[in-house]
Amino acid sequence: DARVTQTPRHKVTEMGQEVTMRCQPILGHNTVFWYRQTMMQGLELLAYFRNRAPLDDSGMPKDRFSAEMPDATLATLKIQPSEPRDSAVYFCASGLIQEGNQPQHFGDGTRLSIL
Amino acid sequence: GNSVTQMEGPVTLSEEAFLTINCTYTATGYPSLFWYVQYPGEGLQLLLKATKADDKGSNKGFEATYRKETTSFHLEKGSVQVSDSAVYFCALDLSGGYNKLIFGAGTRLAVHP
Repeated sequence: DARVTQTPRHKVTEMGQEVTMRCQPILGHNTVFWYRQTMMQGLELLAYFRNRAPLDDSGMPKDRFSAEMPDATLATLKIQPSEPRDSAVYFCASGLIQEGNQPQHFGDGTRLSIL
Repeated sequence: GNSVTQMEGPVTLSEEAFLTINCTYTATGYPSLFWYVQYPGEGLQLLLKATKADDKGSNKGFEATYRKETTSFHLEKGSVQVSDSAVYFCALDLSGGYNKLIFGAGTRLAVHP
């Protein structure tokens, strides 16, 4: 079964450090999503790409977060500088837009702890 | 605006009990509806979906029927197992093919032997 791959699975770092999370979407998928999951806020959509172009990043704090897709096989989410409130599980999901509503496929997430 | 409301958890059941997790939605159009499941330490997985009114989605013994008149998509299973313990998310897609989901808050299910 094709899977969305996220790296690293766990990251612990100190406040102020740069954090980069990577995602390899399923081959052939043309949409990529970044979500953040916390106990308090649940699942929040941070950014959304279609055909590698950013369509919606309204859920992302612009001053410290950035999301890119350098190519079709890699999506990145960066936090610089990181803060303790960024501690969460970050999920990447990919999907394929075609006729009919197709499901998103999620990776297993990156668990981020900022000390 | 468009939104999804799920019953609050946790839902605690004994093995072989009947499960219902309520989900209602508010939408300005005609969404597709989904149930996702998240097992501990993993990402969300699609459990089932329904794309139009009166459709029934089913998978692994779980079922949900798209009820337009009550704007609901309740998840049911006749006999739960310990392995069904997870968090269940109801979601809708009203993005007209943009593949963008609106999720509910999730309902945690704990099944005891």
